[in-house]
Amino acid sequence: DAKTTQPTSMDCAEGRAANLPCNHSTISGNEYVYWYRQIHSQGPQYIIHGLKNNETNEMASLIITEDRKSSTLILPHATLRDTAVYYCIVRGSNQAGTALIFGKGTTLSVSS
Amino acid sequence: NAGVTQTPKFRILKIGQSMTLQCTQDMNHNYMYWYRQDPGMGLKLIYYSVGAGITDKGEVPNGYNVSRSTTEDFPLRLELAAPSQTSVYFCASSLRDEQYFGPGTRLTVT
Repeated sequence: DAKTTQPTSMDCAEGRAANLPCNHSTISGNEYVYWYRQIHSQGPQYIIHGLKNNETNEMASLIITEDRKSSTLILPHATLRDTAVYYCIVRGSNQAGTALIFGKGTTLSVSS
Repeated sequence: NAGVTQTPKFRILKIGQSMTLQCTQDMNHNYMYWYRQDPGMGLKLIYYSVGAGITDKGEVPNGYNVSRSTTEDFPLRLELAAPSQTSVYFCASSLRDEQYFGPGTRLTVT
């Protein structure tokens, strides 16, 4: 799986959009970009994933650059409950049954 | 949909005791996983299952056993608990590549 680079920490005001970047310059053609988060003392939570098109669900939007070397997770209206560590993971298709490898992630702090 | 549920939430064991961590999912997922997470560290895969009756070792299986008699349940058995098994244990399931996690079991062995 390709390596990812994320900022160590970010701050966001409550109600504002949180934009979390991820670099994955060595991503290969069949690898997807996944985002998970882990709120303190809870289990990791799947957020969203994409291959090359932008994706949106009820939690977030994922913007992947045309060259696929970077992506941005957008939480449109951050709340205090969005304070968590966010992980960007690149994985090939058909990886069911294999371990998720979490890097250091970005600690997002949302404040009022 | 309850998703992935785990019991107990917390447990303290004495060295040498044994216990079973329960995991149940109601999403009809074929794949199930057990991870452990030590303080400040990432997840490590203990065991996984690709379907009822099929299990396989992950990165750190020593000291643990699993079984998968039904699609829904994937219990993790600790035999002869040791202090090194003090950790938070997460169960997860998946239909395809995205994994859905339970709330975790915090285990302390003293």
